[in-house]
Amino acid sequence: SQTIHQWPATLVQPVGSPLSLECTVEGTSNPNLYWYRQAAGRGLQLLFYSVGIGQISSEVPQNLSASRPQDRQFILSSKKLLLSDSGFYLCAWNPIQVGRNEQYFGPGTRLTVT
Amino acid sequence: AQSVTQLGSHVSVSEGALVLLRCNYSSSVPPYLFWYVQYPNQGLQLLLKYTTGATLVKGINGFEAEFKKSETSFHLTKPSAHMSDAAEYFCAVSDTGGFKTIFGAGTRLFVKA
Repeated sequence: SQTIHQWPATLVQPVGSPLSLECTVEGTSNPNLYWYRQAAGRGLQLLFYSVGIGQISSEVPQNLSASRPQDRQFILSSKKLLLSDSGFYLCAWNPIQVGRNEQYFGPGTRLTVT
Repeated sequence: AQSVTQLGSHVSVSEGALVLLRCNYSSSVPPYLFWYVQYPNQGLQLLLKYTTGATLVKGINGFEAEFKKSETSFHLTKPSAHMSDAAEYFCAVSDTGGFKTIFGAGTRLFVKA
């Protein structure tokens, strides 16, 4: 069966510090991968998605970046965090199969920028 | 372009009462439609999905949704609410390409004892 992991689960970082969040998927190959941010009391904002190694599409201009160094690894980074970067970060994947557009989410990382 | 509108950011029902969460979508192509549930401090979990075929879709935990093309709706229902149903629910739409899914703003369901 497929599983998706995110770490860390929680993170408190000062403004201006760097960020690295990691997401890995097990039990599948060549998945589409996604990073979302969920601000308090708000819906999901798609940040990045990737259809393959090294292929990243950005949805929202910001001080975040994403990388996919391996097929099942997706990393979200920032060189300098802003207060507005606080939120709940969710990684998700979906299989590249006809009729299988559903996404499977990781447990999330709660980021607080102080 | 696709979009999703969830009517009501908060819905409160009594335990044992009918649950009805409303979702309307906009799509220029035949949509794939989804409902997800999110418990506090957790990721989203797929409740059910509509792709093609039968318009009444049954999901986990006794939930079901009906795709109504003429009304561009995909409302979520459950005949009898349980305390454990208290969570946030998201309606979502994607196209057959599947690269991106558009999520609604979410509806928080409260269940009163």
